[in-house]
Amino acid sequence: AQSVTQLDSQVPVFEEAPVELRCNYSSSVSVYLFWYVQYPNQGLQLLLKYLSGSTLVKSINGFEAEFNKSQTSFHLRKPSVHISDTAEYFCAVISSGGYQKVTFGTGTKLQVIP
Amino acid sequence: NAGVMQNPRHLVRRRGQEARLRCSPMKGHSHVYWYRQLPEEGLKFMVYLQKENIIDESGMPKERFSAEFPKEGPSILRIQQVVRGDSAAYFCASSRAGAGSTEAFFGQGTRLTVV
Repeated sequence: AQSVTQLDSQVPVFEEAPVELRCNYSSSVSVYLFWYVQYPNQGLQLLLKYLSGSTLVKSINGFEAEFNKSQTSFHLRKPSVHISDTAEYFCAVISSGGYQKVTFGTGTKLQVIP
Repeated sequence: NAGVMQNPRHLVRRRGQEARLRCSPMKGHSHVYWYRQLPEEGLKFMVYLQKENIIDESGMPKERFSAEFPKEGPSILRIQQVVRGDSAAYFCASSRAGAGSTEAFFGQGTRLTVV
């Protein structure tokens, strides 16, 4: 069984400030890790993913996440947020080599304050 | 290439009615997954289907819920005799492969409101 913990349900941050959204996971098998973003009343969009190789993965809009196996973490960071980053962010895992039975965290609402 | 299409986007049903949610996967994808997002919660896996087969329904409620993915046409999630607790957003995702797949693509969701 797998589980994903996102301890922060809401994170307010001022525009252009840095942000970190925390994610920890638990699994007895190796996993792939994902961050999804959900804008209000929209579906999920994949932000970035870690499959293997370099532990630091980046998105096209400035987010990055680092896989830390010893701490079982996959925290999401951005050095300078924009108003348009206001959304809910979900950390997720699947078993590597398995099918897309995704286990999601409960989500973190990022509110960027002008 | 159109993405995963779900319809309707919004559905209102009275208690006791049936709800039918449709999902057309991306072109070339034969694996479909349904998830439910209850208010203020994350998404929870419900069922995984391939064409004409249910592979994993471990997340489906035991009663009133069923899913199918026929040889032709969209996948259908059917909820019979809806109750207020069924109000949620239902998301469909599709992938090209099953085991070993590295990404699923999500639809916009169907928001079901039971009144």
